[in-house]
Amino acid sequence: GAGVSQSPSNKVTEKGKDVELRCDPISGHTALYWYRQSLGQGLEFLIYFQGNSAPDKSGLPSDRFSAERTGGSVSTLTIQRTQQEDSAVYLCASSLFQGRGYTFGSGTRLTVV
Amino acid sequence: GIQVEQSPPDLILQEGANSTLRCNFSDSVNNLQWFHQNPWGQLINLFYIPSGTKQNGRLSATTVATERYSLLYISSSQTTDSGVYFCAVMLNNDMRFGAGTRLTVKP
Repeated sequence: GAGVSQSPSNKVTEKGKDVELRCDPISGHTALYWYRQSLGQGLEFLIYFQGNSAPDKSGLPSDRFSAERTGGSVSTLTIQRTQQEDSAVYLCASSLFQGRGYTFGSGTRLTVV
Repeated sequence: GIQVEQSPPDLILQEGANSTLRCNFSDSVNNLQWFHQNPWGQLINLFYIPSGTKQNGRLSATTVATERYSLLYISSSQTTDSGVYFCAVMLNNDMRFGAGTRLTVKP
């Protein structure tokens, strides 16, 4: 597609439920990042995918968080047993290859009630 | 990990004024980008600038990699420039963001 697409744009969920967030990167982009941004804060790195290499999961805050990237394209970020502190905007970015300019999606605003 | 510091944290300008935003980083990096996050939350890539100087309209950026800093210049500011400006640096796989400079341009 023309840009990075994320869905849903907004998600309200009850505490304890699982959620899946989707990122559709720009076609042909091999590098993909997930970040989260809490209200009024900077961006917190979560996970990085580069081609077929093993992902860099060093930013995932707990084992409730996981992410997959199927076929080197679409990525899903899964949060199990959501907690209120998981409320944030989850942003995805992709790049043609590692180290070049990144394009961000519009994000998914997650609210855990 | 890499430390990224941005200054000032907040900046209020009158429309038409010029400003300089600074980004300091703690280690040698492969890549540096400046982003603008508009009031609706969308992050827009302004510059990919690991070194040297680039200009795009009223905006320009300079990175001095050997001294580990980058500057973003905004000239003749407009109300639409309001938002948060982030600097992001990369070393290998690790792209890290500063805390941002929140710019408010008043009419």
